[in-house]
Amino acid sequence: DQQVKQNSPSLSVQEGRISILNCDYTNSMFDYFLWYKKYPAEGPTFLISISSIKDKNEDGRFTVFLNKSAKHLSLHIVPSQPGDSAVYFCAASGPVGAGGTSYGKLTFGQGTILTVHP
Amino acid sequence: KAGVTQTPRYLIKTRGQQVTLSCSPISGHRSVSWYQQTPGQGLQFLFEYFSETQRNKGNFPGRFSGRQFSNSRSEMNVSTLELGDSALYLCASSLVLNTEAFFGQGTRLTVV
Repeated sequence: DQQVKQNSPSLSVQEGRISILNCDYTNSMFDYFLWYKKYPAEGPTFLISISSIKDKNEDGRFTVFLNKSAKHLSLHIVPSQPGDSAVYFCAASGPVGAGGTSYGKLTFGQGTILTVHP
Repeated sequence: KAGVTQTPRYLIKTRGQQVTLSCSPISGHRSVSWYQQTPGQGLQFLFEYFSETQRNKGNFPGRFSGRQFSNSRSEMNVSTLELGDSALYLCASSLVLNTEAFFGQGTRLTVV
């Protein structure tokens, strides 16, 4: 039961162009979504997040879009740079308290390998 | 501001042994979570601690346990190691409940 899915194992983009990474989720109780960047044998680095009460959040070159009705989120990187080459994970967390059981738990997708060519 | 620190970075253990991994969260962060990353299963949630109490636990056998100290530092222990426990173990800390979690570099455990 994979509640967070990244259906594209890899993405290749030219430097300067836009990178779009996609993520789908099935659990409608998720209320907070995050994107992480990861290099092999290192911990994930937090990039950007979005609450379910919003549909867009921007931070520099990174923008995350959330479509709750489609249970879909995407990460846009503009412009893409060779240093952006890494594995990107989306993650989701659910409600806590009042019956919620998601304390401290992030549910991750399987990751997308982004390669940005010079 | 120092990040999340995990020690050791690398470990090699023999089947049947036990191992203890350590995590020091970012100063002021009281929530500490542990994850296991393997090629086949991806990043899987192990458990979460807050103020020395385990509040949430993932779907792992009882051989996996943890604790948190009064200074928020956390340890996880794996007993009776199996070959399948070979993985990257990651610790994350967060300031506010269920928002951004910041990860350490991880401990690479190899069981032979």
